[in-house]
Amino acid sequence: QKEVEQNSGPLSVPEGAIASLNCTYSDRGSQSFFWYRQYSGKSPELIMSIYSNGDKEDGRFTAQLNKASQYVSLLIRDSQPSDSATYLCAVFSGGYQKVTFGIGTKLQVIP
Amino acid sequence: EAGVTQFPSHSVIEKGQTVTLRCDPISGHDNLYWYRRVMGKEIKFLLHFVKESKQDESGMPNNRFLAERTGGTYSTLKVQPAELEDSGVYFCASSQSIVNYGYTFGSGTRLTVV
Repeated sequence: QKEVEQNSGPLSVPEGAIASLNCTYSDRGSQSFFWYRQYSGKSPELIMSIYSNGDKEDGRFTAQLNKASQYVSLLIRDSQPSDSATYLCAVFSGGYQKVTFGIGTKLQVIP
Repeated sequence: EAGVTQFPSHSVIEKGQTVTLRCDPISGHDNLYWYRRVMGKEIKFLLHFVKESKQDESGMPNNRFLAERTGGTYSTLKVQPAELEDSGVYFCASSQSIVNYGYTFGSGTRLTVV
């Protein structure tokens, strides 16, 4: 079982729709959860972080965390073509003092 | 605030040669990490420095890889001798506090071993 699992996609959504990206993790002791966006040929860029159960909203982005289900998600409202990128789910486990990444989901927003 | 700087951005070397990658973290970030992404795979942890000390090097593939962070500032990652399977993108990241802020990544070094 991978430590952080994501569907690699591609996930295609029409412009203006809601994109839903999902992630599960294996370490129940995980403390912090991050979403990074990576454009092709570029470095990952942190876009959201979440630490407690529930939703966290920032502009068009909403991160959701359910520790009981070991599940993290990212919703992107009013998707734009500029949102087309790979979205990496990342999990910090205090015991290991490092962040583990999923393979990333490639999102394509179709104009 | 200057970001995390890595160089070279690209390197093409022959099998058996030596390559040294450099990372300059954000000033004041004690935590420095090296990661590697091989095509089609996850970004994988290599090692973690806290200041000049290696906190965790469990991800280093083998003893052909040597990382240093003299003086707790910039870090180098040397691959000697390079093998074909070492090809990939090597990312450096730094953080003031991982728990609260996550990482800031450098732009990466794309290493191709031929």
